[in-house]
Amino acid sequence: QQQVKQSPQSLIVQKGGISIINCAYENTAFDYFPWYQQFPGKGPALLIAIRPDVSEKKEGRFTISFNKSAKQFSLHIMDSQPGDSATYFCAANAGGTSYGKLTFGQGTILTVHP
Amino acid sequence: DGGITQSPKYLFRKEGQNVTLSCEQNLNHDAMYWYRQDPGQGLRLIYYSQIVNDFQKGDIAEGYSVSREKKESFPLTVTSAQKNPTAFYLCASKDPRRGSGEAFFGQGTRLTVV
Repeated sequence: QQQVKQSPQSLIVQKGGISIINCAYENTAFDYFPWYQQFPGKGPALLIAIRPDVSEKKEGRFTISFNKSAKQFSLHIMDSQPGDSATYFCAANAGGTSYGKLTFGQGTILTVHP
Repeated sequence: DGGITQSPKYLFRKEGQNVTLSCEQNLNHDAMYWYRQDPGQGLRLIYYSQIVNDFQKGDIAEGYSVSREKKESFPLTVTSAQKNPTAFYLCASKDPRRGSGEAFFGQGTRLTVV
Protein backbone atom coordinates (compact mmCIF):
# COMPACT_ATOMS: atom_id res chain seq x y z
CA GLN A 1 0.00 0.00 0.00
CA GLN A 2 3.04 2.23 0.35
CA GLN A 3 4.09 1.82 -3.27
CA VAL A 4 4.18 4.47 -5.91
CA LYS A 5 4.33 3.04 -9.42
CA GLN A 6 5.92 5.17 -12.13
CA SER A 7 5.95 4.79 -15.90
CA PRO A 8 7.54 4.74 -18.37
CA GLN A 9 10.99 3.65 -17.24
CA SER A 10 12.58 5.63 -20.05
CA LEU A 11 11.31 8.23 -22.49
CA ILE A 12 12.79 9.77 -25.61
CA VAL A 13 11.33 13.01 -26.91
CA GLN A 14 12.28 15.41 -29.66
CA LYS A 15 13.11 18.99 -28.80
CA GLY A 16 9.89 21.01 -28.57
CA GLY A 17 7.76 17.96 -27.84
CA ILE A 18 5.71 17.10 -24.78
CA SER A 19 7.09 14.68 -22.18
CA ILE A 20 4.54 12.85 -20.03
CA ILE A 21 5.39 10.72 -17.00
CA ASN A 22 2.73 8.93 -15.01
CA CYS A 23 2.47 7.74 -11.42
CA ALA A 24 -0.12 5.76 -9.50
CA TYR A 25 -0.51 5.15 -5.78
CA GLU A 26 -2.64 3.10 -3.42
CA ASN A 27 -2.33 4.75 -0.02
CA THR A 28 -5.12 7.28 0.41
CA ALA A 29 -3.24 8.81 3.36
CA PHE A 30 -0.73 10.40 0.97
CA ASP A 31 -1.20 14.15 1.16
CA TYR A 32 1.64 15.65 -0.86
CA PHE A 33 2.97 14.65 -4.24
CA PRO A 34 6.31 16.12 -5.34
CA TRP A 35 8.30 15.55 -8.49
CA TYR A 36 12.07 15.52 -8.29
CA GLN A 37 14.59 16.05 -11.08
CA GLN A 38 18.00 14.42 -10.88
CA PHE A 39 21.02 14.94 -13.10
CA PRO A 40 23.76 12.29 -13.27
CA GLY A 41 25.94 12.20 -10.17
CA LYS A 42 23.79 14.75 -8.35
CA GLY A 43 21.13 14.63 -5.68
CA PRO A 44 17.47 15.05 -6.62
CA ALA A 45 16.02 18.55 -6.54
CA LEU A 46 12.37 19.47 -6.12
CA LEU A 47 10.80 20.40 -9.44
CA ILE A 48 7.13 20.91 -8.64
CA ALA A 49 4.64 19.55 -6.12
CA ILE A 50 0.89 19.30 -5.65
CA ARG A 51 -1.55 18.62 -2.84
CA PRO A 52 -4.68 16.51 -3.39
CA ASP A 53 -7.09 19.42 -3.03
CA VAL A 54 -6.25 20.70 -6.53
CA SER A 55 -6.36 18.92 -9.87
CA GLU A 56 -3.61 20.78 -11.66
CA LYS A 57 -0.57 22.90 -10.92
CA LYS A 58 1.55 24.68 -13.48
CA GLU A 59 4.99 26.22 -13.09
CA GLY A 60 6.48 27.44 -16.33
CA ARG A 61 6.78 24.50 -18.74
CA PHE A 62 6.02 21.96 -16.01
CA THR A 63 2.49 20.88 -15.08
CA ILE A 64 1.23 18.30 -12.62
CA SER A 65 -2.17 16.79 -13.30
CA PHE A 66 -3.78 15.04 -10.33
CA ASN A 67 -6.71 12.63 -10.38
CA LYS A 68 -7.69 11.85 -6.80
CA SER A 69 -10.43 9.36 -7.63
CA ALA A 70 -8.12 7.34 -9.87
CA LYS A 71 -5.18 7.79 -7.49
CA GLN A 72 -2.97 8.91 -10.33
CA PHE A 73 -0.86 11.93 -11.07
CA SER A 74 1.34 12.90 -13.96
CA LEU A 75 4.06 15.33 -14.97
CA HIS A 76 3.84 17.12 -18.29
CA ILE A 77 6.87 18.93 -19.67
CA MET A 78 5.88 21.25 -22.48
CA ASP A 79 8.33 22.37 -25.16
CA SER A 80 10.88 19.84 -23.92
CA GLN A 81 14.51 20.95 -24.18
CA PRO A 82 17.79 19.00 -24.24
CA GLY A 83 18.57 20.54 -20.85
CA ASP A 84 15.53 18.70 -19.45
CA SER A 85 17.32 15.40 -20.04
CA ALA A 86 17.49 13.90 -16.55
CA THR A 87 15.90 11.28 -14.32
CA TYR A 88 12.51 12.22 -12.91
CA PHE A 89 11.02 10.76 -9.77
CA CYS A 90 7.50 11.09 -8.51
CA ALA A 91 7.00 10.73 -4.79
CA ALA A 92 4.29 10.78 -2.17
CA ASN A 93 4.28 11.85 1.42
CA ALA A 94 1.99 10.46 4.09
CA GLY A 95 1.01 13.00 6.69
CA GLY A 96 0.48 12.56 10.39
CA THR A 97 3.21 10.69 12.22
CA SER A 98 5.10 9.60 9.13
CA TYR A 99 7.77 12.23 9.89
CA GLY A 100 7.80 13.43 6.32
CA LYS A 101 8.91 10.16 4.81
CA LEU A 102 8.71 10.15 1.05
CA THR A 103 7.85 7.08 -0.99
CA PHE A 104 9.43 7.31 -4.43
CA GLY A 105 8.52 5.89 -7.80
CA GLN A 106 11.08 3.91 -9.76
CA GLY A 107 12.20 6.88 -11.85
CA THR A 108 11.99 7.82 -15.53
CA ILE A 109 15.07 8.56 -17.60
CA LEU A 110 14.11 11.34 -20.00
CA THR A 111 16.21 12.03 -23.08
CA VAL A 112 15.38 15.04 -25.21
CA HIS A 113 17.00 14.96 -28.64
CA PRO A 114 17.97 18.28 -30.23
CA ASP B 1 24.81 29.03 1.72
CA GLY B 2 22.43 26.67 3.49
CA GLY B 3 22.36 23.10 2.38
CA ILE B 4 23.29 19.50 2.91
CA THR B 5 26.84 18.29 2.54
CA GLN B 6 27.64 14.65 1.97
CA SER B 7 31.16 13.27 2.04
CA PRO B 8 33.02 11.66 0.53
CA LYS B 9 31.65 11.83 -3.01
CA TYR B 10 33.20 8.46 -3.86
CA LEU B 11 34.02 5.68 -1.42
CA PHE B 12 35.54 2.29 -1.95
CA ARG B 13 35.08 -0.52 0.53
CA LYS B 14 36.78 -3.84 0.81
CA GLU B 15 34.80 -6.93 1.61
CA GLY B 16 34.18 -7.22 5.35
CA GLN B 17 34.85 -3.58 6.15
CA ASN B 18 32.56 -1.09 7.81
CA VAL B 19 32.45 2.37 6.26
CA THR B 20 30.79 5.58 7.43
CA LEU B 21 29.16 8.13 5.16
CA SER B 22 28.92 11.68 6.43
CA CYS B 23 25.88 13.96 6.17
CA GLU B 24 25.84 17.49 7.58
CA GLN B 25 23.13 20.13 7.20
CA ASN B 26 22.94 23.78 8.19
CA LEU B 27 19.27 24.25 7.36
CA ASN B 28 18.22 23.88 10.99
CA HIS B 29 15.98 20.97 9.99
CA ASP B 30 14.90 18.52 12.65
CA ALA B 31 14.26 15.58 10.32
CA MET B 32 16.96 13.79 8.35
CA TYR B 33 16.83 10.77 6.07
CA TRP B 34 19.08 8.29 4.33
CA TYR B 35 18.06 6.82 0.99
CA ARG B 36 19.71 4.26 -1.22
CA GLN B 37 19.45 4.57 -4.99
CA ASP B 38 19.87 1.65 -7.37
CA PRO B 39 19.21 1.75 -11.11
CA GLY B 40 15.54 1.16 -11.89
CA GLN B 41 14.49 1.02 -8.23
CA GLY B 42 14.02 4.63 -7.29
CA LEU B 43 15.03 5.78 -3.84
CA ARG B 44 14.52 3.45 -0.90
CA LEU B 45 14.50 4.65 2.70
CA ILE B 46 17.20 3.22 4.97
CA TYR B 47 16.84 5.20 8.21
CA TYR B 48 15.28 8.44 9.33
CA SER B 49 15.46 10.68 12.37
CA GLN B 50 12.99 13.27 13.53
CA ILE B 51 14.99 14.67 16.44
CA VAL B 52 18.36 14.34 18.09
CA ASN B 53 19.03 11.00 19.78
CA ASP B 54 16.11 9.36 18.02
CA PHE B 55 15.97 7.44 14.76
CA GLN B 56 13.80 4.84 13.10
CA LYS B 57 14.37 2.04 10.60
CA GLY B 58 13.17 2.56 7.09
CA ASP B 59 12.30 -0.06 4.51
CA ILE B 60 15.82 -1.49 4.01
CA ALA B 61 17.68 -0.95 7.32
CA GLU B 62 19.39 -4.35 7.51
CA GLY B 63 23.16 -4.02 7.36
CA TYR B 64 23.12 -0.30 8.16
CA SER B 65 23.38 1.76 11.33
CA VAL B 66 23.03 5.45 12.13
CA SER B 67 23.46 7.92 14.96
CA ARG B 68 21.99 11.34 15.62
CA GLU B 69 24.04 12.98 18.35
CA LYS B 70 23.75 16.47 16.86
CA LYS B 71 20.94 18.16 14.98
CA GLU B 72 23.28 18.98 12.11
CA SER B 73 24.75 15.52 11.61
CA PHE B 74 23.32 12.13 10.62
CA PRO B 75 26.12 9.70 9.68
CA LEU B 76 25.37 6.34 8.07
CA THR B 77 27.53 3.27 8.68
CA VAL B 78 27.43 0.53 6.10
CA THR B 79 28.41 -2.61 7.98
CA SER B 80 29.90 -5.84 6.73
CA ALA B 81 26.46 -7.38 7.21
CA GLN B 82 25.17 -5.46 4.19
CA LYS B 83 25.55 -8.02 1.43
CA ASN B 84 25.21 -5.72 -1.56
CA PRO B 85 26.36 -2.25 -0.51
CA THR B 86 27.39 -0.92 -3.91
CA ALA B 87 24.94 1.93 -4.56
CA PHE B 88 24.42 5.68 -4.59
CA TYR B 89 23.53 6.96 -1.10
CA LEU B 90 21.53 10.12 -0.60
CA CYS B 91 20.96 12.11 2.57
CA ALA B 92 18.01 14.46 2.89
CA SER B 93 16.48 16.78 5.45
CA LYS B 94 13.23 18.64 5.96
CA ASP B 95 11.38 20.60 8.57
CA PRO B 96 8.60 18.26 9.77
CA ARG B 97 6.87 21.13 11.54
CA ARG B 98 5.89 22.30 8.07
CA GLY B 99 4.07 19.05 7.57
CA SER B 100 4.31 17.84 4.00
CA GLY B 101 7.02 20.00 2.54
CA GLU B 102 10.15 20.01 0.46
CA ALA B 103 12.91 17.57 1.27
CA PHE B 104 16.39 18.85 0.46
CA PHE B 105 18.96 16.36 -0.78
CA GLY B 106 22.73 16.26 -0.64
CA GLN B 107 24.85 15.46 -3.68
CA GLY B 108 25.24 11.84 -2.76
CA THR B 109 28.01 9.36 -2.02
CA ARG B 110 28.76 6.58 -4.48
CA LEU B 111 29.92 3.50 -2.60
CA THR B 112 31.68 0.70 -4.43
CA VAL B 113 32.81 -2.61 -3.00
CA VAL B 114 36.18 -3.69 -4.36
